[in-house]
Amino acid sequence: LAKTTQPISMDSYEGQEVNITCSHNNIATNDYITWYQQFPSQGPRFIIQGYKTKVTNEVASLFIPADRKSSTLSLPRVSLSDTAVYYCLVGPLGQGNLIFGKGTKLSVKP
Amino acid sequence: SAVISQKPSRDICQRGTSLTIQCQVDSQVTMMFWYRQQPGQSLTLIATANQGSEATYESGFVIDKFPISRPNLTFSTLTVSNMSPEDSSIYLCSVSGTSGTATYNEQFFGPGTRLTVL
Repeated sequence: LAKTTQPISMDSYEGQEVNITCSHNNIATNDYITWYQQFPSQGPRFIIQGYKTKVTNEVASLFIPADRKSSTLSLPRVSLSDTAVYYCLVGPLGQGNLIFGKGTKLSVKP
Repeated sequence: SAVISQKPSRDICQRGTSLTIQCQVDSQVTMMFWYRQQPGQSLTLIATANQGSEATYESGFVIDKFPISRPNLTFSTLTVSNMSPEDSSIYLCSVSGTSGTATYNEQFFGPGTRLTVL
């Protein structure tokens, strides 16, 4: 499974757009990019998944350039409740044994 | 989606004892997993719980220390054996391949069991 690199932490203010970039230089052809969110004292929660270009859902957008060596999770207009750790994972679909990196701790301030 | 419950939610144990953690899912699932998350750290996969056969353990984890059962498609247990303070951690159950879907793209996690070993 491809290794991922993310910033350890990020700070933001309410109402701002937050972009978290993940590097995955060794991504394989059949690998997908998946992001999870984890609040304190809870298990991780699936946010979004994509293979290339752009994916958008009601929570976030995921931007993946043509070379797929990186990806950016975009959270529009964050609120205090978006304070959490965000994990970027790379692997083939159906790969059950997820390999979590260190994640990015996002702190949203009023 | 899947709703996952774990028991106990937390426990404080003495070294040398064992604790069995239960994971119950509200629907049949294809795959079940056990993770460990030490304070302030990321998640580490312990093993994949296989129905009707021995669990598949990741490097650094062995069956004698973390025996796992999975008697059916909705239930699994993880036992932490002969505990030491280093086993203090949060243990999480996760599932994928939920009933009614053909996708294994998303995993659902339980709330975790916070274990403290004295």
